[in-house]
Amino acid sequence: DADVTQTPRNRITKTGKRIMLECSQTKGHDRMYWYRQDPGLGLRLIYYSFDVKDINKGEISDGYSVSRQAQAKFSLSLESAIPNQTALYFCATSERGGPGDTQYFGPGTRLTVL
Amino acid sequence: AQSVTQLDSHVSVSEGTPVLLRCNYSSSYSPSLFWYVQHPNKGLQLLLKYTSAATLVKGINGFEAEFKKSETSFHLTKPSAHMSDAAEYFCVVSDGYSGYSTLTFGKGTMLLVSP
Repeated sequence: DADVTQTPRNRITKTGKRIMLECSQTKGHDRMYWYRQDPGLGLRLIYYSFDVKDINKGEISDGYSVSRQAQAKFSLSLESAIPNQTALYFCATSERGGPGDTQYFGPGTRLTVL
Repeated sequence: AQSVTQLDSHVSVSEGTPVLLRCNYSSSYSPSLFWYVQHPNKGLQLLLKYTSAATLVKGINGFEAEFKKSETSFHLTKPSAHMSDAAEYFCVVSDGYSGYSTLTFGKGTMLLVSP
């Protein structure tokens, strides 16, 4: 969905480096999410934010941090990247965050940690 | 707690034959259920969703799914597969009790369509 953009789209880095993945949205949604996708594991929630002042840990938050700079921007950081953080990362947004609320996904960032 | 089990990691069909992708869920509350599709090197797109209205839900591209509470299932079907349906499909559950619900994804089913 072109309304949710992620930068960079691909990144190769080395163990121990700090990496930031950025997400921007023009949908006007309050709720934003970060997921990682690993082959055979589906998507797993890393962090989510229901508004600028609300940040919550997801299922697999260890080794990650986030920043909600504005309603439209939600960044994911890897403070010291390790090889098992190699994955496809998706940002998503939703209007309300309640049950039945549709989440809209960005195109993904493929991260490789050597 | 909520969880999703997609019963097949891969499904192979011939073009023009029916598609069945199976999903079972577990939820402590009245669930909302979704199917998302991911084409190669693309993001995820919503196919359809169930939110306690009609149990038979119609989605895009001719897909539909039926919510069966007694069987805790939400299987995805399509009468006739097309080559463009080849993709990975995710069954997703969201619990139904709060405004702070999150999604839990199944591990995915890869649909392969042969000519």
